[in-house]
Amino acid sequence: RKEVEQDPGPFNVPEGATVAFNCTYSNSASQSFFWYRQDCRKEPKLLMSVYSSGNEDGRFTAQLNRASQYISLLIRDSKLSDSATYLCVVNSRGSSNTGKLIFGQGTTLQVKP
Amino acid sequence: DAGVTQSPTHLIKTRGQQVTLRCSPKSGHDTVSWYQQALGQGPQFIFQYYEEEERQRGNFPDRFSGHQFPNYSSELNVNALLLGDSALYLCASSLRRTGSSGNTIYFGEGSWLTVV
Repeated sequence: RKEVEQDPGPFNVPEGATVAFNCTYSNSASQSFFWYRQDCRKEPKLLMSVYSSGNEDGRFTAQLNRASQYISLLIRDSKLSDSATYLCVVNSRGSSNTGKLIFGQGTTLQVKP
Repeated sequence: DAGVTQSPTHLIKTRGQQVTLRCSPKSGHDTVSWYQQALGQGPQFIFQYYEEEERQRGNFPDRFSGHQFPNYSSELNVNALLLGDSALYLCASSLRRTGSSGNTIYFGEGSWLTVV
């Protein structure tokens, strides 16, 4: 079993749609959680950290359920520019800057006009 | 302020050869991690260097080795290349200070390695 599991998709949605991505992780000792965005043939870039209380950044909302070891990302009012691969990432350390990052396979989103 | 820089950006090697990839971390960062990303997969952790020592290692064979220099830059070496080593190799830099706000892991653009 992979440490971080995601549905690879692809998710094909029209502009303006709301889309949700889910992710599960196996290590209950995991401390930090993130969503990264990766454009085609580019490096991953941090989209947002994920907190137990849930957090929102504009059209993006992330949720963490530690009991279920489940992480989600909701994108509202999808834009063409949201088309990318979204990587669910877990860190076993409490800080974002130590320890190794464990990446999911990534979920591909294609937003169509 | 230069971000994470990696070289070369693309290279082609033959099976059995050896390759060295280079990384300069973001200014002010002291920790370098290397990741391998095969096509269609998420990045996989290879190892991490801090204070010129390997601090953590992922599930990669000894053919993968590295080094960190006093200026915090790093090299990734892969010996006896296999076709399966073809991938994007990403360098990530960070600052090994816990509790600091605003610390983030930054990735370089990667080195695309093709083994033929």
